[in-house]
Order: sequence, then C-alpha cells, then structure tokens
Amino acid sequence: EPEVTQTPSHQVTQMGQEVILRCVPISNHLYFYWYRQILGQKVEFLVSFYNNEISEKSEIFDDQFSVERPDGSNFTLKIRSTKLEDSAMYFCASSTQGGYGYTFGSGTRLTVV
Amino acid sequence: GNSVTQMEGPVTLSEEAFLTINCTYTATGYPSLFWYVQYPGEGLQLLLKATKADDKGSNKGFEATYRKETTSFHLEKGSVQVSDSAVYFCALPDQTGANNLFFGTGTRLTVIP
Repeated sequence: EPEVTQTPSHQVTQMGQEVILRCVPISNHLYFYWYRQILGQKVEFLVSFYNNEISEKSEIFDDQFSVERPDGSNFTLKIRSTKLEDSAMYFCASSTQGGYGYTFGSGTRLTVV
Repeated sequence: GNSVTQMEGPVTLSEEAFLTINCTYTATGYPSLFWYVQYPGEGLQLLLKATKADDKGSNKGFEATYRKETTSFHLEKGSVQVSDSAVYFCALPDQTGANNLFFGTGTRLTVIP
C-alpha cells in the first residue's frame, strides 16, 4: 500500500535554529498538507499546498513557516527560527482530493531545547 | 467554520466490551465525516468515513453512521480487543469545499485483557 514517508522521525534542535522537515507524498496525489500535534493535544492544521502554491493556511502558519516542493517528489516544511512552543509532532499528509480523506505520514517529532 | 465535539476520554474497557465514542458536528451543508485512529507511537490512519447523510462507514469491526437529524457520527464497535487501544479522532473538512480537516480533541481508548 502506498505510504507517505517522513524524515527524520525525531529531530532535536536548539531554540532559534532553522529546521526543515521532509516528506515524500504518495506519487499520484495532488494535495499536500502539514499538521501538528503538540503532545497530548489536538491535531491542528498548518497549511495545504496544491498546484505548487499554498492553498490554505491557518493562523499558526506565520512568517516563521514556509513550505516547498523543491523537486516534484519531496514536500518540505521549514521553520526559520524555532521556538520552544514549536515542539510537537508534525504530520505530513497527501490526498487525491481533500474531501475524501488523507494518507498521513508517521510524523516527525520536533523537540526544541 | 465547521467543527466537531468529541467525547472526552480516557476510556478504559475490558476486552470484548462494547465501545461507543461520541462525536457531534456543526457544519454548513453535509460535509464528509471521518474517524482517524492513532496507535501508540504511530501517525494518523483513516479508520472510516461517510460522505453523505445516512451513510454508514465501517472498517475493522468499527462502524459510524452519519446522522443529520442529531448531527452525530458516533463510533461503535461490538467487541473491542487489546489491539484497539489507541487514540480516536473525529474529523470533518474545516469548511464546505475546503481540503483541510478540523480534528476533534481525540479520545484515548485503553482495552485491558
């Protein structure tokens, strides 16, 4: 069964550093997403990406965040200057059409120290 | 936007007990409704979905019926197993036609032998 692959599975970074979280969506999917889940809390939408541009983003997705699909297969989330409160599990997802459910990756646990 | 309210947990059941996890929604129109499951240490997996009113989604012995009269999508299973221990999330599109999902707060289920 096709999978969404995320790397690394766990990343530790110092506050103020830049991090890039990587995702390889399912190859024939057209919509890509990032969500995050702060430990023990709800899953929150960050951003969706379609046709090489951001289609929707939440209030969480401020100027510190950016997304990119650099080579037609990878989909990355960059946090420019990490804060302690960015510590969370970040999930990438992809879908053929958003209204019918996604396939999620297994997540990257980001710890900012 | 749309939203869901999910039964708070945690829920602890004995093996073979009957499970109900309540979910009610607030939405414009009749969006698709989803249940996702997160097993320990893993990402989110789509468990089941219903795309229109009165539809019943089912998978792995779990069922949920899209009831517009009560704006509910309760998750049920007749006989739970230890392997069903996980966090269950109810979800729907954030807005009609949107691709991003609004997740409930999650309900942690623990099944004891």
